[in-house]
Amino acid sequence: GAGVSQSPSNKVTEKGKDVELRCDPISGHTALYWYRQSLGQGLEFLIYFQGNSAPDKSGLPSDRFSAERTGGSVSTLTIQRTQQEDSAVYLCASSSDLLNTEAFFGQGTRLTVV
Amino acid sequence: DAKTTQPPSMDCAEGRAANLPCNHSTISGNEYVYWYRQIHSQGPQYIIHGLKNNETNEMASLIITEDRKSSTLILPHATLRDTAVYYCIVRVVYNFNKFYFGSGTKLNVKP
Repeated sequence: GAGVSQSPSNKVTEKGKDVELRCDPISGHTALYWYRQSLGQGLEFLIYFQGNSAPDKSGLPSDRFSAERTGGSVSTLTIQRTQQEDSAVYLCASSSDLLNTEAFFGQGTRLTVV
Repeated sequence: DAKTTQPPSMDCAEGRAANLPCNHSTISGNEYVYWYRQIHSQGPQYIIHGLKNNETNEMASLIITEDRKSSTLILPHATLRDTAVYYCIVRVVYNFNKFYFGSGTKLNVKP
């Protein structure tokens, strides 16, 4: 597709369940970012993939959060044993490997933990 | 990454120029200034970026002071659809770096 695609657009889950959020970056983009945005708040960095390098996981809030990127393309963010405070919009972005290019964002997945 | 300071909110009349300031007094020589905006319930949208020269594109102009410690995003003729949160970001230009989003400026364009 022409842009970053995220699925599902909305997800409601019960507390304690695991969820998987998917991001399809723009074709050819080697960098992929995950952010979280709670209601009325700014964007919180979670994790960053760049090519075949080890990801920067410094923003993951707990060990319940993990992400992988298969084949340098699609990425999945997994949240285990979801809690109500995990409710937020999860945003994915991608950019090319040129150093001063911009990142393009998807529309996000709105996660609600009930 | 250097931090940025932006006013929390600004108002602008429709059709007038909107000038959004950003302070980045600790910016270093290898950091670019980026601007993004986020319209309600959408993902952030790239606007413009620059290193030290002023930049202009179809969306906006970016004015960076000579000492690079501050910049201004200019929307020349604001419309109601420009109502959004505008984020100023400085980003180190080397491999393996990320965008840090601060609180941004909520621009309210009024009829």
